[in-house]
Amino acid sequence: EIVLTQSPGTLSLSPGERATLSCRASQTVTSIYLAWYQQKPGQAPRLLIYGASSRATGIPDRFSGSGSGTDFTLTISRLEPEDFAVYYCQQYDNSPPTWTFGQGTKVESK
Amino acid sequence: QVQLVQSGAEVKKPGASVKVSCKASGYTFIDYYLHWVRQAPGQGLEWMGRIAPNSGGTDYAQKFQVRVTMTRDTSINTAYMELSRLRPDDTAVYYCACSITLPGLANAFDIWGRGTKVTVSS
Repeated sequence: EIVLTQSPGTLSLSPGERATLSCRASQTVTSIYLAWYQQKPGQAPRLLIYGASSRATGIPDRFSGSGSGTDFTLTISRLEPEDFAVYYCQQYDNSPPTWTFGQGTKVESK
Repeated sequence: QVQLVQSGAEVKKPGASVKVSCKASGYTFIDYYLHWVRQAPGQGLEWMGRIAPNSGGTDYAQKFQVRVTMTRDTSINTAYMELSRLRPDDTAVYYCACSITLPGLANAFDIWGRGTKVTVSS
């Protein structure tokens, strides 16, 4: 089973700053199978990025995804107040069909 | 619009079972897999399994193989997740989710229900 490790656990930044979140896989992940989600307290996760770098519908362009193989990155170019949340990466493995999530990175206001 | 509406919160005793429903609307229910994901308090997301509404075929995460049953009723566009032999550590919010707007290979979840809180306590 592929394990996803996210770092850092918590990122303390100010509005307007750049956020860089890492997701490292224990084995190679096919890029099209890597996604990122945002979750705010009391809410369901919201898809931000799929296929490692494609923004989901309605996602602002300050969110971008990159990476391949075992190392993937979510970047928020300039933090807005509404971006303070927990972010999860997720991957799909097709043998057997399995979806796994990283443990999450909390982006908090400094 | 596309939405998944889940049943209300449940409180169960250890050893009991819980059945959570997820009613789909705004799209053709039988055309898309329906997944279940849970989140324990203060913890991350955990995929439990999926059901293909057209055939009823299922894939379960190994951790839940012996305790989870996913079913559907296509006449009312509703999927169900039943978890048996509940333990206190099954206390969590249970979400249903699916992939509607994404390219077929993307395998991510763009539509989520609001979640159903299940509390297991004696």
